[in-house]
Amino acid sequence: GQNIDQPTEMTATEGAIVQINCTYQTSGFNGLFWYQQHAGEAPTFLSYNVLDGLEEKGRFSSFLSRSKGYSYLLLKELQMKDSASYLCAVRDQRLQAQLWSRLMGSTLGRLYFGRGTQLTVWP
Amino acid sequence: GAGVSQSPSNKVTEKGKDVELRCDPISGHTALYWYRQSLGQGLEFLIYFQGNSAPDKSGLPSDRFSAERTGGSVSTLTIQRTQQEDSAVYLCASSLPELNTEAFFGQGTRLTVV
Repeated sequence: GQNIDQPTEMTATEGAIVQINCTYQTSGFNGLFWYQQHAGEAPTFLSYNVLDGLEEKGRFSSFLSRSKGYSYLLLKELQMKDSASYLCAVRDQRLQAQLWSRLMGSTLGRLYFGRGTQLTVWP
Repeated sequence: GAGVSQSPSNKVTEKGKDVELRCDPISGHTALYWYRQSLGQGLEFLIYFQGNSAPDKSGLPSDRFSAERTGGSVSTLTIQRTQQEDSAVYLCASSLPELNTEAFFGQGTRLTVV
């Protein structure tokens, strides 16, 4: 099955750097995503990793180690507006879906989310 | 439309009634996902469509839940004989069929079963 673990809550101060870790176990890994979700709103995409290494996008960076089943999201120069829930998500395929994909020629799988890390940024 | 559209945005229903939730994905997005999010919780995967087919229905919590997709576009999630524990925000997302593309979410339907 799939298991995604991330801390429930984190706090930091404005201007600081925070690292949110995510570990996962999956049967058919097809990529890892990070999303941001403000209270009462829909999740919005932050980053994507499918190969090992660091992907940088402005104040946000994401790292992946497939052999360790580990990723982190790094947020720099924190701002008050960064207070939100950060969701780690793995795209994977169950065996049945893998067989279906081989028949139908599709390689996508379901996008499976962790419980999210609630980040609070203090002034 | 430009984004994923879900309707209704809010639904209050009596226990035991059936409800239908609708999702209009972004045009051209062949992959479509349904999730459920209870207050303060993460996203619970329900079902995933590729075109009109559902290669993974593993997340549907019971046989009261079903979903269909027609024309490779609109999807409907149906909950029969609703229970109070079905109260949650139901989110729909869609994506292009390539691996490295993100899923875009609609604003969700807030379902309250009274």
